[in-house]
Amino acid sequence: EVQLLESGGGLVQPGGSLRLSCAASGFTFSSYAMTWVRQAPGRGLDWVSSISGSADSTYYADSVKGRFTISRDNSKNTLYLQLNSLRVEDTALYYCARERIGFGGNPFDYWGQGTLVTVSS
Amino acid sequence: SYMLTQPPSVSVAPGRTARITCGGNNIGSKNVHWYQQKPGQAPVLVIYYNSGRPSGIPERFSGSNFGNTATLTISRVEAGDEADYYCQARESGSDQVGHVFGTGTKVTVL
Repeated sequence: EVQLLESGGGLVQPGGSLRLSCAASGFTFSSYAMTWVRQAPGRGLDWVSSISGSADSTYYADSVKGRFTISRDNSKNTLYLQLNSLRVEDTALYYCARERIGFGGNPFDYWGQGTLVTVSS
Repeated sequence: SYMLTQPPSVSVAPGRTARITCGGNNIGSKNVHWYQQKPGQAPVLVIYYNSGRPSGIPERFSGSNFGNTATLTISRVEAGDEADYYCQARESGSDQVGHVFGTGTKVTVL
């Protein structure tokens, strides 16, 4: 059974940092691209960042480029998101999701339950 | 950047058909996926690659994608279909590769 379990969220002041983790199980982690998606309270889904299975390609939304860093440790089956220079508008539930293997423009077929990041003074 | 526009809300009586649109420039040239999200839960993939149905998704859910509009159709709507629905596509251009979600549609079953 595919499982994704996020952790690392919490309350942080503006300008602060956090590192989110997503522990994966039930599939060959290194074979799949992975993604972070966030959802601000009462708002819609917002793509944040993606990383290829081998970690040789990374992609970021303009809103987080230069502040967030996605990475993965395939030996630990774990995905990470380093959040720096946090802003109030980064407050959201952060989901990790697996990208289905395909030929491009692939869907996110499994999602974790999310970890909440709150940026406030 | 690429944008996907959905109606904020759709209301439908039980047993009737709900259609949710997702508008985007030449979206018919992209693979579009649809997610269902119920309150307090993570999104669930209900339609992939425009019209495919993942295992476990009822046949009542179907999708299409032509021109500038993708559509999710829910036939014989049930109370349990009440949720937020999001379309999603990959954005790829000369200077940007990423993913885009639609603005979301709340489906209310009357």
